[in-house]
Amino acid sequence: KAGVTQTPRYLIKTRGQQVTLSCSPISGHRSVSWYQQTPGQGLQFLFEYFSETQRNKGNFPGRFSGRQFSNSRSEMNVSTLELGDSALYLCASSLPSGKNEQFFGPGTRLTVL
Amino acid sequence: KNQVEQSPQSLIILEGKNCTLQCNYTVSPFSNLRWYKQDTGRGPVSLTIMTFSENTKSNGRYTATLDADTKQSSLHITASQLSDSASYICVVSAHNNDMRFGAGTRLTVKP
Repeated sequence: KAGVTQTPRYLIKTRGQQVTLSCSPISGHRSVSWYQQTPGQGLQFLFEYFSETQRNKGNFPGRFSGRQFSNSRSEMNVSTLELGDSALYLCASSLPSGKNEQFFGPGTRLTVL
Repeated sequence: KNQVEQSPQSLIILEGKNCTLQCNYTVSPFSNLRWYKQDTGRGPVSLTIMTFSENTKSNGRYTATLDADTKQSSLHITASQLSDSASYICVVSAHNNDMRFGAGTRLTVKP
């Protein structure tokens, strides 16, 4: 069974631009969560989607948004990029129950110049 | 406030030696605790998951312990290998599925 895949793996943008990241969960997993990881802050929860609906949301500004499609694939969008948005963005999928193990993708390394 | 604190922040050991990483939490009501290993530039990989009733769980050379009374967990690595060099992250979940991540311990194993 294929693991969680994320595209692109690396991305360089400039301040003010917007970016869209994609995540394909493990087949059969309907819950997709997004995280931001920076050296100073560690892993921080962005949001979780289940059945095309946002189920949980972390404490990030509205510039960060996401969506989930009927095939459980998810996208994350960041608008008006700031230097501080440079980070590794990780996607994790799991079965619907929150008690189930999350499987992480390799991440997308975003650099904002 | 639900928090997860890990120590030490970083650790350097020689290949073949054992080490123990610590995780203290204040997450309540507690649901489960997970330890993840994250290699540089890659996503975290689950090592162990423990619920309230479990106080130890092993995965090869990795053994996690949980003391729900003192809200402490440890991850013991036996006979370390160079490939154990990574960040180890403790994640604690509450019953409402609120997940709290520790900042991680950066382990370096030297030959």
